[in-house]
Amino acid sequence: DTEVTQTPKHLVMGMTNKKSLKCEQHMGHRAMYWYKQKAKKPPELMFVYSYEKLSINESVPSRFSPECPNSSLLNLHLHALQPEDSALYLCASSTSRTAYGYTFGSGTRLTVV
Amino acid sequence: AQSVAQPEDQVNVAEGNPLTVKCTYSVSGNPYLFWYVQYPNRGLQFLLKYITGDNLVKGSYGFEAEFNKSQTSFHLKKPSALVSDSALYFCAVRDSGNAGKSTFGDGTTLTVKP
Repeated sequence: DTEVTQTPKHLVMGMTNKKSLKCEQHMGHRAMYWYKQKAKKPPELMFVYSYEKLSINESVPSRFSPECPNSSLLNLHLHALQPEDSALYLCASSTSRTAYGYTFGSGTRLTVV
Repeated sequence: AQSVAQPEDQVNVAEGNPLTVKCTYSVSGNPYLFWYVQYPNRGLQFLLKYITGDNLVKGSYGFEAEFNKSQTSFHLKKPSALVSDSALYFCAVRDSGNAGKSTFGDGTTLTVKP
């Protein structure tokens, strides 16, 4: 299995809702990432997990809460989002060795209404 | 801090012609450079990488990239463009520390016209 699977593919949520994004990989990668991407812009790093521990939080607002239950799963819990949080949320994984690139999921298209 | 720059927002080429998408980098230490492609409403796909060794690296879908240390460049090339190559291309540099995070360029939209 050489894929990163993200669910759901699309999500529409109100500003008072609580929802979660899910990411799963079975490549044995020990580094996992959440990125936020606006249209035609580069991905912006949000969080990095290394060996199931949060190693980087790029000053992301607390309405985004990551979780790594095990080495294959990564979740992003969403609460009280704002319309400007609407974006494509990408999960990626990689080996911890710098010589390798990332494997990205297809993303979750999030719309906050 | 490491960074990459893609000086062109848009590159237009005719099908069958060679294409070049430019990238320059700034790193302290050895560069770990990557190219990714993104099709509409999809995640990024890895194309190729430079770690060490030959300055010309070959990747997926007939793409190659030329690493030039003196010019701090890592340009993406393809000898003969296809309409299906039309997409958004990102150059990236990966940090050897700092949890191996990658920094992406602003992206270049490649349009190949029939």
